[in-house]
Amino acid sequence: DTGVSQNPRHKITKRGQNVTFRCDPISEHNRLYWYRQTLGQGPEFLTYFQNEAQLEKSRLLSDRFSAERPKGSFSTLEIQRTEQGDSAMYLCASSPSGTAGYGYTFGSGTRLTVV
Amino acid sequence: AQSVTQLDSHVSVSEGTPVLLRCNYSSSYSPSLFWYVQHPNKGLQLLLKYTSAATLVKGINGFEAEFKKSETSFHLTKPSAHMSDAAEYFCAVSLSGGYNKLIFGAGTRLAVHP
Repeated sequence: DTGVSQNPRHKITKRGQNVTFRCDPISEHNRLYWYRQTLGQGPEFLTYFQNEAQLEKSRLLSDRFSAERPKGSFSTLEIQRTEQGDSAMYLCASSPSGTAGYGYTFGSGTRLTVV
Repeated sequence: AQSVTQLDSHVSVSEGTPVLLRCNYSSSYSPSLFWYVQHPNKGLQLLLKYTSAATLVKGINGFEAEFKKSETSFHLTKPSAHMSDAAEYFCAVSLSGGYNKLIFGAGTRLAVHP
């Protein structure tokens, strides 16, 4: 296992289309996070999974966004009816359970461009 | 509520000179603090972390940071900049005992000139 894997690396889509991204975390990490990063900004928290349970969703995650993590392994992030404002880098990260103090391991991200 | 302020959006240094990237945090609880680096079109890589042990933390690539509770600061330093250090740097805070949710600053872009 070489780290967190995200696919695709780049996605260009037309406004109004649906898109889905996939994240494969480090296999022994039971925590998985999605973040969104827009140009010139730090990553913003979207949602968090402990195994298969989605335990927190940010207000940034509108009803057009849905995330799943079936069986506590890989995760998908779907955006329905994409808007130009959804253009961003979507980052996935994983960490082991335990007290805070573990840094995340990030994937390389999926860059979404909505035209 | 927790927050992170990175005091400089851009820092420019000459190769071989010291680097200082400033970070102040706000947390009601005992925080864990992190510095990450991001090269263009890449994910974030952990440089170092503070988790209530030694206040001077050493990280990868010669970087270190000092936790100062009285100043609520966690500034990142390096004695001698290298061209390969040019990147975006992010400071982040998480709650001790929480589930590791990280709050990031807006980032500091470091430029290194020959």
